[in-house]
Amino acid sequence: DTGVSQDPRHKITKRGQNVTFRCDPISEHNRLYWYRQTLGQGPEFLTYFQNEAQLEKSRLLSDRFSAERPKGSFSTLEIQRTEQGDSAMYLCASTLKGQVPSGNTIYFGEGSWLTVV
Amino acid sequence: GEDVEQSLFLSVREGDSSVINCTYTDSSSTYLYWYKQEPGAGLQLLTYIFSNMDMKQDQRLTVLLNKKDKHLSLRIADTQTGDSAIYFCAVSGNTPLVFGKGTRLSVIA
Repeated sequence: DTGVSQDPRHKITKRGQNVTFRCDPISEHNRLYWYRQTLGQGPEFLTYFQNEAQLEKSRLLSDRFSAERPKGSFSTLEIQRTEQGDSAMYLCASTLKGQVPSGNTIYFGEGSWLTVV
Repeated sequence: GEDVEQSLFLSVREGDSSVINCTYTDSSSTYLYWYKQEPGAGLQLLTYIFSNMDMKQDQRLTVLLNKKDKHLSLRIADTQTGDSAIYFCAVSGNTPLVFGKGTRLSVIA
């Protein structure tokens, strides 16, 4: 297993279009996070899953943002009706929650860059 | 909510030690992390420390935690040009990981 995988790495879309990003976590990691990072800022938490359950979604930036993890493995983040302000890097991370000390090492993927034109 | 603060820039000469500082507000933070980010890349986990520790050393990296002052530092010994990157402090406790804005480390040859 080579780590957290994200696809696509880069996406250019026209304003108003929908986009979907996929994240494949490290095998057997039960917790999965989505973050957004804009230029010059640290990553900003969006949502997270424990297995297939979405435990926190109030930080999703608007109702245009939604995330799923239907079988508790890979996850998707969808942005509907994209706006220029959505241009950012979307990062996925995973961890195995429940086993100390390794259970709190949180690993990030390489990110998916979104440019809305 | 949790707030994490870092100085934005640090410049050091190759071979010197670098010390990157971080302060946080939530005393219930249990795990504290340092991540490295190179241009256009994701976040690489460098090291982390549990809140019941005050120091952790891993090769060239030394993490110091002062819980009383809510202060975390990362020392990089013998800094190399390949260490040039942005370093993020991040803390977790009752909330998912909260990041600082990052410290840009520039290493001068």
